[in-house]
Amino acid sequence: QSVLTQPPSVSGAPGHSVTVSCTGTTSNIGAGHDVHWYRQLPGTAPQLLIYGNDQRPSGVPDRFSGSKSATSASLAITGLQPEDEGDYYCQSYDDSHNGFYAFGAGTKVTVL
Amino acid sequence: EVQLVESGGGLVQPGESLRLSCEASGFKFSDHYMDWVRQVPGKGLEWVGRIRNTGNMYPTEYAASVEGRFTMSRDDSKNSLFLEMHSLKIEDTAVYYCCREVRITKFGVVMHYQALDVWGQGTTVTVSS
Repeated sequence: QSVLTQPPSVSGAPGHSVTVSCTGTTSNIGAGHDVHWYRQLPGTAPQLLIYGNDQRPSGVPDRFSGSKSATSASLAITGLQPEDEGDYYCQSYDDSHNGFYAFGAGTKVTVL
Repeated sequence: EVQLVESGGGLVQPGESLRLSCEASGFKFSDHYMDWVRQVPGKGLEWVGRIRNTGNMYPTEYAASVEGRFTMSRDDSKNSLFLEMHSLKIEDTAVYYCCREVRITKFGVVMHYQALDVWGQGTTVTVSS
């Protein structure tokens, strides 16, 4: 059971937008810790999309954007493309004893 | 090219030990904190542990699920990261990824973000009797 809660799946048509939410608690996102986002395409290692809540690494298209407020964060994908289909994970630091870096359970993004 | 290449995975019995290695190239390895993350096939990501860099005297932190059984180390002279795994359990079966943490220099100040910007291809550990 992850301390970061993500919806199991979201879907959208090509060219449309989707948002993936990540809900935490006062021991992680709500404690002020940064949120980071990853995409994992089938059969590949995860790729960092967003770090520090809203920063994009070089090479990541500006179709991907992140935001954070209170105890939750969101990843928005605009101009959805077929190659965006995959699993998306949020990550944050957690102050609890199970601690350290927590990942959400992942959200499957399907391009219809 | 920035790259991480893991090795050392395999099939072991419960209670046995295994040592994973990760060779880094294309960046200054000694500057970065490094992590291991694992993933059961078809399931989500689980953070395993982190080792800081030489400037921080290499402190390590581990997930509660592996604390006391797994040990991370690094050899900066060989651009290598290691994960010693002991008393392996069936639930340790997973693909193990070696990862680099984000390190950014801004206005002369080094900032470490707890995000993982480079991942290896993974090495598979199977614990089964």
